Amino acid sequence: DGGITQSPKYLFRKEGQNVTLSCEQNLNHDAMYWYRQDPGQGLRLIYYSQIVNDFQKGDIAEGYSVSREKKESFPLTVTSAQKNPTAFYLCASSRQGAKFPDTQYFGPGTRLTVL
Amino acid sequence: AQSVSQHNHHVILSEAASLELGCNYSYGGTVNLFWYVQYPGQHLQLLLKYFSGDPLVKGIKGFEAEFIKSKFSFNLRKPSVQWSDTAEYFCAVNPPYSGAGSYQLTFGKGTKLSVIP
Repeated sequence: DGGITQSPKYLFRKEGQNVTLSCEQNLNHDAMYWYRQDPGQGLRLIYYSQIVNDFQKGDIAEGYSVSREKKESFPLTVTSAQKNPTAFYLCASSRQGAKFPDTQYFGPGTRLTVL
Repeated sequence: AQSVSQHNHHVILSEAASLELGCNYSYGGTVNLFWYVQYPGQHLQLLLKYFSGDPLVKGIKGFEAEFIKSKFSFNLRKPSVQWSDTAEYFCAVNPPYSGAGSYQLTFGKGTKLSVIP
């Protein structure tokens, strides 16, 4: 089955620790995205990547980092600098995202709780 | 700041009632419009999208939306809701391409729909 997988589903972290969320897609999509979802806030863009070895900051990139070493993988690291990391994190991908609009497809999400 | 607005935070309807969820955006120029749905415990799924052509767009599960450019609106409708439509609905907009990066998607804050059997 083609799709986007995110792991783990639930993640608990102590304050001061960095944690990495996994996102993998087998749709052969060029572009990948990370969003944060908070109750009543909708989805806000953290980072996006149009192509391997390239990524751009979104609206709320502070305290987060990403890498895009492989087309199918776009891990997100939540660093200790992120002041309010408890949230639901969604990964998405689209066939092309540079100069042409396209539909984004979403993974199941990871719920991160900072203890 | 330019944005996407969903006016209703929570809508409660009885089964068979008609549904209309509002979505307005503040971008000028050419935009692309989407409605996504998040059923409890499930992935965010695409309901329908508008890129060009007929402004009345039909999606999955009997949903439709109408793009009214003069009103900067893209309201979602369904003539008769079912209990299984209970979910959170998000309107999203690709603002006009700025040239600085990819077509980013800006989301509204979502509307929770509760359908009472």
